[in-house]
Amino acid sequence: DTEVTQTPKHLVMGMTNKKSLKCEQHMGHRAMYWYKQKAKKPPELMFVYSYEKLSINESVPSRFSPECPNSSLLNLHLHALQPEDSALYLCASSQRVEGDKLFFGSGTQLSVL
Amino acid sequence: QKEVEQNSGPLSVPEGAIASLNCTYSDRGSQSFFWYRQYSGKSPELIMSIYSNGDKEDGRFTAQLNKASQYVSLLIRDSQPSDSATYLCAVNHIQGAQKLVFGQGTRLTINP
Repeated sequence: DTEVTQTPKHLVMGMTNKKSLKCEQHMGHRAMYWYKQKAKKPPELMFVYSYEKLSINESVPSRFSPECPNSSLLNLHLHALQPEDSALYLCASSQRVEGDKLFFGSGTQLSVL
Repeated sequence: QKEVEQNSGPLSVPEGAIASLNCTYSDRGSQSFFWYRQYSGKSPELIMSIYSNGDKEDGRFTAQLNKASQYVSLLIRDSQPSDSATYLCAVNHIQGAQKLVFGQGTRLTINP
């Protein structure tokens, strides 16, 4: 059983909707991540939050907005998404941020209509 | 040259045989290497990690690392249909900001 919990597991939203993905880790890890994964592709890093600092992949559009209320919670706010944003969104955590092994949550399958 | 390279497959192996999955990487300074298994529509699951040259065994799985050749592999003995999945190789990349870099994944099918 994963100790990284993601909700919801599935989400369908229109292009004008605002929604949030939630992630919580119970392992005391210092780093949390959001990844985006399209079918038959590897996970693609979107954001890293570690030591109270957010690192952003500059290619990620501003319609994705991360929020870290505390060291065990990481949210991803979604607004005005496009159909091409439909993908599996994965939260992960690691003990350290320096290329340490990742533990993934179960993912959110997002469909944008 | 891609940072982490895997043969995308599909790789078909008969049940009970040994499945061999390969991965090469470009960053000579890399120190940590991971294999993830991912079933269709599910999230990646860590199955092996290896940090030193040589072999590391865990049940039916053996990871092999050769830093001089920049090569890491995963062997699955006595392959089962439940091993059918995509296997992702991940390497910590220390050039620039440290990060975990994933290969494209190899799709493995075990035929009963």
